[in-house]
Amino acid sequence: AQKVTQAQTEISVVEKEDVTLDCVYETRDTTYYLFWYKQPPSGELVFLIRRNSFDEQNEISGRYSWNFQKSTSSFNFTITASQVVDSAVYFCALSERNQAGTALIFGKGTTLSVSS
Amino acid sequence: DTGVSQDPRHKITKRGQNVTFRCDPISEHNRLYWYRQTLGQGPEFLTYFQNEAQLEKSRLLSDRFSAERPKGSFSTLEIQRTEQGDSAMYLCASTYQTGLAGNTIYFGEGSWLTVV
Repeated sequence: AQKVTQAQTEISVVEKEDVTLDCVYETRDTTYYLFWYKQPPSGELVFLIRRNSFDEQNEISGRYSWNFQKSTSSFNFTITASQVVDSAVYFCALSERNQAGTALIFGKGTTLSVSS
Repeated sequence: DTGVSQDPRHKITKRGQNVTFRCDPISEHNRLYWYRQTLGQGPEFLTYFQNEAQLEKSRLLSDRFSAERPKGSFSTLEIQRTEQGDSAMYLCASTYQTGLAGNTIYFGEGSWLTVV
């Protein structure tokens, strides 16, 4: 069973629109960590945020915000007033404490295209 | 502070040839991961090292793949007798891991492999 699901394969918006990227995860661990990474065309995975399972506070960083809801096993990511530079593939990932190496389990990613 | 660096960035090889990728993690990071990413998919875990010890290998890592981290610093990933199915981007990542916490994992820009 897929542990991290990003149901949106591709999203296209026009600059200045708000956009939300969905992430649903599955785990039996009580302690786990959730991440978002951005992958621009260059290929490097750029870390955006890390959240542990005990911290359900939403977080805002500039135009980025994250909504973590354990009740629905979701960790959604919103970009406010999107810009062309936001165009990239965004990955949600899960790290389980009981998984060897706490290696990340990634979703399939959502490709965001922002046009001017 | 330099990030994770990988070399070469791109490699085209004929089927049946051997290839080797190198990864230099962030200095003082004690944990190093290798991932593989194919088009349209999220990165998939291959293996990881805690210092110089290789502690886990994924089922994806066939016998033709071998990874080393001889002095607990840089790492190499070798693929022997390459097949077309090995064409992918190979990502290296590192973190400073203490205990079981899911610390932030930082990725390199990846090494693209094309087997013709």
